[in-house]
Amino acid sequence: EPEVTQTPSHQVTQMGQEVILRCVPISNHLYFYWYRQILGQKVEFLVSFYNNEISEKSEIFDDQFSVERPDGSNFTLKIRSTKLEDSAMYFCASRPRTNSNQPQHFGDGTRLSIL
Amino acid sequence: AQKVTQAQTEISVVEKEDVTLDCVYETRDTTYYLFWYKQPPSGELVFLIRRNSFDEQNEISGRYSWNFQKSTSSFNFTITASQVVDSAVYFCALSEKTGANSKLTFGKGITLSVRP
Repeated sequence: EPEVTQTPSHQVTQMGQEVILRCVPISNHLYFYWYRQILGQKVEFLVSFYNNEISEKSEIFDDQFSVERPDGSNFTLKIRSTKLEDSAMYFCASRPRTNSNQPQHFGDGTRLSIL
Repeated sequence: AQKVTQAQTEISVVEKEDVTLDCVYETRDTTYYLFWYKQPPSGELVFLIRRNSFDEQNEISGRYSWNFQKSTSSFNFTITASQVVDSAVYFCALSEKTGANSKLTFGKGITLSVRP
């Protein structure tokens, strides 16, 4: 069964550094999402992406964050200058373009640790 | 604004017991979608079930069943004959829209521990 793939599984970065989290969505999916989960807390929506542009973003997704689909397969989340509070699990998700709201399929996540 | 409340935080049962996980949601939309996801200790999010707001028929899928009641804005999930492998955090989620803006709003999750 096709899967959403995220790399790396764990990223350790010094505060203030830039970090790029990578995702390969399922190949025939057209809607892409990033969520984050701070340890022990609920999963929170960050941003949705369709047709090469942001569809919706949350208050968390400030100017330090950006997303990109640089080629036909990758979908990336960049944090420009990381802060300690950015430490979390980041999930990428994708879903096909249908009218019946098919479920989002999640990757295994990237655990980001900011030192 | 959409909101999902999972009042239970932790549940512990003995293997083979049935367990029901509660979910209450808030939305202003008449069309919406409800989901349950499972997060095992390994950390990934696994889709379990989905329900549309216009279909209140409750179903059973293997050991899983759900009870969707619009009148009480509840979408409860039941695992029958629980197994140790069911131990995980279970999230209820709501989506108000279709298309690209179909973000999921999650509840805080319920930690289920199934003891042998």
